[in-house]
Amino acid sequence: DAKTTQPNSMESNEEEPVHLPCNHSTISGTDYIHWYRQLPSQGPEYVIHGLTSNVNNRMASLAIAEDRKSSTLILHRATLRDAAVYYCILRGAGGTSYGKLTFGQGTILTVHP
Amino acid sequence: ETGVTQTPRHLVMGMTNKKSLKCEQHLGHNAMYWYKQSAKKPLELMFVYSLEERVENNSVPSRFSPECPNSSHLFLHLHTLQPEDSALYLCASSPWTGANQPQHFGDGTRLSIL
Repeated sequence: DAKTTQPNSMESNEEEPVHLPCNHSTISGTDYIHWYRQLPSQGPEYVIHGLTSNVNNRMASLAIAEDRKSSTLILHRATLRDAAVYYCILRGAGGTSYGKLTFGQGTILTVHP
Repeated sequence: ETGVTQTPRHLVMGMTNKKSLKCEQHLGHNAMYWYKQSAKKPLELMFVYSLEERVENNSVPSRFSPECPNSSHLFLHLHTLQPEDSALYLCASSPWTGANQPQHFGDGTRLSIL
């Protein structure tokens, strides 16, 4: 799977929007962009994924650049519960890595009251 | 709240003990996974099961032995572990193993080897 680059940490205030960037300049045409987050003392939690078009769900929005070399996870109104490590992961549709999620270091999001 | 339940949440064992970790999912998924998360390291995939058949073994030592008796249950049998095996062991499931399938994780078993 291709590599992703994320900032080590970001900070936000409660009730404000948060834009978490991810660069994936070597993405291939069949790679899906997935986002997961991990709260302290919990397993990772699926947030959202997409291929080419922007995606929205109840947790967040995913904005994908036209050339697909970067993407942004958008939390519309941060809450204290959103403080977590956020992982941007590419998953290729080809090959034999069945369902493999390759986690990097992620972005530590701190939310201030 | 999660549809993937792991037991026990914490386990302390000696290097000569034999124990098992259990994972159960109530999501109707057909694929299940074991991951290892060591301190300060990214998650590492260990095993993948699809329709109760092991489809990936990610170079895991034989002292870890997985078992998937049905699509809802996954076990990880442990024997003669080493101190470096102390870690958080996470189970996950997904509808299928495809690249567009989200994985749902349990909260893990924190394993400590004495």
